Amino acid sequence: AQKITQTQPGMFVQEKEAVTLDCTYDTSDPSYGLFWYKQPSSGEMIFLIYQGSYDQQNATEGRYSLNFQKARKSANLVISASQLGDSAMYFCAMREGRYNQGGKLIFGQGTELSVKP
Amino acid sequence: EAGVTQFPSHSVIEKGQTVTLRCDPISGHDNLYWYRRVMGKEIKFLLHFVKESKQDESGMPNNRFLAERTGGTYSTLKVQPAELEDSGVYFCASSRRDRNTEAFFGQGTRLTVV
Repeated sequence: AQKITQTQPGMFVQEKEAVTLDCTYDTSDPSYGLFWYKQPSSGEMIFLIYQGSYDQQNATEGRYSLNFQKARKSANLVISASQLGDSAMYFCAMREGRYNQGGKLIFGQGTELSVKP
Repeated sequence: EAGVTQFPSHSVIEKGQTVTLRCDPISGHDNLYWYRRVMGKEIKFLLHFVKESKQDESGMPNNRFLAERTGGTYSTLKVQPAELEDSGVYFCASSRRDRNTEAFFGQGTRLTVV
C-alpha cells in the first residue's frame, strides 16, 4: 500500500545553516511523483519542489533541493541557508502514476521546522 | 495569474447544520482535488474532478458529503448535516491535466462544528 512517512515531528535549525527533513515512501508503482509543501502559520499550502521517479537528477528550486534515493525509497528535503521565514510545517507527499496522469496525493504527517535567530 | 481561492476562510456552525465550501481553481486547470486535515492528523484526500466529472471519490467519508463542479470551473463541497468530527481544514488543489508535476493549493477553509 502506498504510504509516506515523516519521522521528525519537530526540528530546530540555526539561521543560515542547512537542514534536512526526512521523508520515506512506499509504493509498488514504478511511476510516481514526490512533492514537498510548506505550510506557514497562516495556513496556506505552498508548493516547493517535485521529483519524478524517472528523473535522473535530484530536483532543485532555489534554496530547496530534494535528495532522492530511489533504492532506499527516500526523498529528503534539504533547505540551505535557513531563514527565519522558513519556520513552518513541511509536508512530503506522493502521487502514483506518470506525470501526465491525475491522481490523489498521499501525505506524510508533517515536520514542524523552527529556525532560531 | 490568480491562485486557487477558497471561500469562506473560516466557518463555525452547529452540529446538524449545513455548510457549503467553495473552491475556485486556477484558470485552465482541469484537475481539481479536495483534501482535509482533521486536527493533528494527516492531510487526507477526499475526491478528484477532471473538469466536471468525478474521477475518484474514494476518500469521501460518507454520504453527508456532496461535491459538485458544474461546468468544470469552480467546485463546491457541501456537508449536510454536519457532525462534530467534520471539524478540520478543507483544502482545494488544482493542476493542469497535462502537467501534474505541480499541484497548487488554496489557503483552506477552517470548519468548526460545535
